Amino acid sequence: KAGVTQTPRYLIKTRGQQVTLSCSPISGHRSVSWYQQTPGQGLQFLFEYFSETQRNKGNFPGRFSGRQFSNSRSEMNVSTLELGDSALYLCASSAPGLETQYFGPGTRLLVL
Amino acid sequence: DAKTTQPPSMDCAEGRAANLPCNHSTISGNEYVYWYRQIHSQGPQYIIHGLKNNETNEMASLIITEDRKSSTLILPHATLRDTAVYYCIVRALSGSARQLTFGSGTQLTVLP
Repeated sequence: KAGVTQTPRYLIKTRGQQVTLSCSPISGHRSVSWYQQTPGQGLQFLFEYFSETQRNKGNFPGRFSGRQFSNSRSEMNVSTLELGDSALYLCASSAPGLETQYFGPGTRLLVL
Repeated sequence: DAKTTQPPSMDCAEGRAANLPCNHSTISGNEYVYWYRQIHSQGPQYIIHGLKNNETNEMASLIITEDRKSSTLILPHATLRDTAVYYCIVRALSGSARQLTFGSGTQLTVLP
């Protein structure tokens, strides 16, 4: 089976812009979670989607949003980018009942 | 907040067993112990998980103490490619505690 894929892998944006990141889960997985990793804060949970519904949300401002499509693919959006949003954004998927999360390679976002 | 305590760093000689400890003294009865590792800014890789019994797979063994307050991840024959940050995580499989809460982890360096 193919693993979790994330696009793009690298991205450079400027402050005030918005960005959309994409995640394709492992085939058959219906839950997708997003995490942000920075040197200062480590790996932090953003949100989780299951069957197109947000099931869980971390402590991030409303500028961070996401959605899930009927094929379980997910996107996250960050509006009005700030320098502090520079990070590795990771997506993880899991299968119903098994719940083990498998991570993609991440999207590295640099905000200038 | 992370509910686990791990040493910040450990060294291990190549070919020897690497034993990584983790304290989780406040673990609840319905919480599992998960181990992930992250190799230099790649996505975290799932290693193993368990509830109360010892577990073994092709990558590692997980030993959980009888009172479940601590555990040890064992890599039986460490190689240079096992150099990574290892995260011990406790999580429930339902509710708001479903997400993975990463701490600082243990930086394992395998020495030639």
